[in-house]
Amino acid sequence: GQQVMQIPQYQHVQEGEDFTTYCNSSTTLSNIQWYKQRPGGHPVFLIQLVKSGEVKKQKRLTFQFGEAKKNSSLHITATQTTDVGTYFCAGRSYGGSQGNLIFGKGTKLSVKP
Amino acid sequence: EADIYQTPRYLVIGTGKKITLECSQTMGHDKMYWYQQDPGMELHLIHYSYGVNSTEKGDLSSESTVSRIRTEHFPLTLESARPSHTSQYLCASSGTGTGEYEQYFGPGTRLTVT
Repeated sequence: GQQVMQIPQYQHVQEGEDFTTYCNSSTTLSNIQWYKQRPGGHPVFLIQLVKSGEVKKQKRLTFQFGEAKKNSSLHITATQTTDVGTYFCAGRSYGGSQGNLIFGKGTKLSVKP
Repeated sequence: EADIYQTPRYLVIGTGKKITLECSQTMGHDKMYWYQQDPGMELHLIHYSYGVNSTEKGDLSSESTVSRIRTEHFPLTLESARPSHTSQYLCASSGTGTGEYEQYFGPGTRLTVT
């Protein structure tokens, strides 16, 4: 079945350093979504990418969708303590069930002030 | 902030008890989902619904059942709770009609079965 792999599992950075998490799918995706879950909280939607090669920015966050629509990345420039949390990618393959959004295992980011 | 609610937020219950976790949304969303998540771990889809009277099992096998009698309500029931059911249960909903929409998550129910 469809799998979405996400690396790294953990990332510890010093405040001000950059951070990147990568997401890879075993199948071509129709779209990919990114979510952030703060410690003790619930996932919150960040963005959706649909087009091949798409790049979107939200302030210090840059999201990319690969040309083959099988991989994606989230890059945070100059991390802040407010960036702490787990970042999940979630994708749905073409022909996949409408309800079956597959989540990666997440990358847990900790930021040392 | 999305209007999706879950009750109870925390539940400690003994083995063998029947429990129902409530989830309601006021956004008129067609699609609703239940995920199971152990602390700090990945999300596993256990049930989803496209609309009233529509329910499907997700990727993770679960002994729970769901119902969707009203658009806004998607309760999850465990007939006989076991310690292996200890986890966090997250309910989510997403937009109306076809197309890909973001999922709005509720605050979750943290279940402990003793």
